[in-house]
Amino acid sequence: NAGVTQTPKFQVLKTGQSMTLQCAQDMNHNSMYWYRQDPGMGLRLIYYSASEGTTDKGEVPNGYNVSRLNKREFSLRLESAAPSQTSVYFCASSEPPLISGAGYEQYFGPGTRLTVT
Amino acid sequence: GENVEQHPSTLSVQEGDSAVIKCTYSDSASNYFPWYKQELGKGSQLIIDIRSNVGEKKDQRIAVTLNKTAKHFSLHITETQPEDSAVYFCAAGATDSWGKLQFGAGTQVVVTP
Repeated sequence: NAGVTQTPKFQVLKTGQSMTLQCAQDMNHNSMYWYRQDPGMGLRLIYYSASEGTTDKGEVPNGYNVSRLNKREFSLRLESAAPSQTSVYFCASSEPPLISGAGYEQYFGPGTRLTVT
Repeated sequence: GENVEQHPSTLSVQEGDSAVIKCTYSDSASNYFPWYKQELGKGSQLIIDIRSNVGEKKDQRIAVTLNKTAKHFSLHITETQPEDSAVYFCAAGATDSWGKLQFGAGTQVVVTP
């Protein structure tokens, strides 16, 4: 049981390049999330997927796209990277309270450190 | 939408002392308040959570208190140990939702021996 896995762990891009961050979870959770973490700003939600087949914008969606490929996988794409997207990106998953009727701990992956030069 | 403010941003304590981190939230609909711990180079992990139908919850050296009227909640760590050194995030959400959380900016806790 690996939990939430993310690839790659580190990435350096030049301005204008594109890339996709991959995330997968093996806990059969319905909801998945992408956050970015910047110093002094905590975890900010980029996009989330409440369930397979749906995606919604979070707090800071500009410059990003997502795909919920299936129940396990949720990818984040940067079409044209900018230095402002230098950050640590975390994927998370949870079983939402609307389904579980209980708590909804979010389980986080180890993160991807992205630098855009 | 929800806005969560967290203070202080850094906290340095002597081993054995207590640490307190405070958060405020703005949305009255929020009724679920988790705390996450992030160790260096790792993803965040839930350490304790509280719902709005209780005022306090304890788990060994960790406790959380909630004041719904004032819209603030706090994390208390007693008898701190070096392994408590980490970044702590508070968050707020609603249990009648699809599970979105609004996180605070984080508190870097350093426990010195």
